[in-house]
Amino acid sequence: AQSVTQLDSQVPVFEEAPVELRCNYSSSVSVYLFWYVQYPNQGLQLLLKYLSGSTLVKGINGFEAEFNKSQTSFHLRKPSVHISDTAEYFCAVSARAGGTSYGKLTFGQGTILTVHP
Amino acid sequence: KAGVTQTPRYLIKTRGQQVTLSCSPISGHRSVSWYQQTPGQGLQFLFEYFSETQRNKGNFPGRFSGRQFSNSRSEMNVSTLELGDSALYLCASTPSGGSLEQFFGPGTRLTVL
Repeated sequence: AQSVTQLDSQVPVFEEAPVELRCNYSSSVSVYLFWYVQYPNQGLQLLLKYLSGSTLVKGINGFEAEFNKSQTSFHLRKPSVHISDTAEYFCAVSARAGGTSYGKLTFGQGTILTVHP
Repeated sequence: KAGVTQTPRYLIKTRGQQVTLSCSPISGHRSVSWYQQTPGQGLQFLFEYFSETQRNKGNFPGRFSGRQFSNSRSEMNVSTLELGDSALYLCASTPSGGSLEQFFGPGTRLTVL
């Protein structure tokens, strides 16, 4: 089984400041890692994913994340945030193989990022 | 391509009733997953269908069921509704070929009174 912990439930930040949203996971098997964003009254949109290869992954809207296998972490970063980045962000994992992995994402509890002018 | 569509967007039911939610995946996507999102429990996996077969199921009671049709459209049904079933129900479709990205619909907001 997999579990995901997002270490901050809310992160307030000023516009143009850098931000890091923290995510740790636990799994007995290898996993794929994802960050999704959810704007009010909308579904989830993929920001970026780690499947294999380089541990630094770049996504949409200037976000990036680094996979750290030894620390089982996948923190999301952006060097300069905008008001429009205000949303809820979800870290998710999927097991790499096996029947219990089909179509199943295990999500963290979410981090609400609020960007202040 | 059109995105994932879910109908209806909003639904109000009373305890004991049953409800059916519909999801149309992106054209060509054969895998459909369903999630329940609540403030207390967050996002929880309900089940996944591929080619009309349920391949995976989360830890929900048997009141929650689903099916998938030959055109990949999917429905989920909740019988004997309880107040705790009030939630946003999200559907996601996944393309074949290993990209693993799930494309989410806008959700159906179910309120049980």
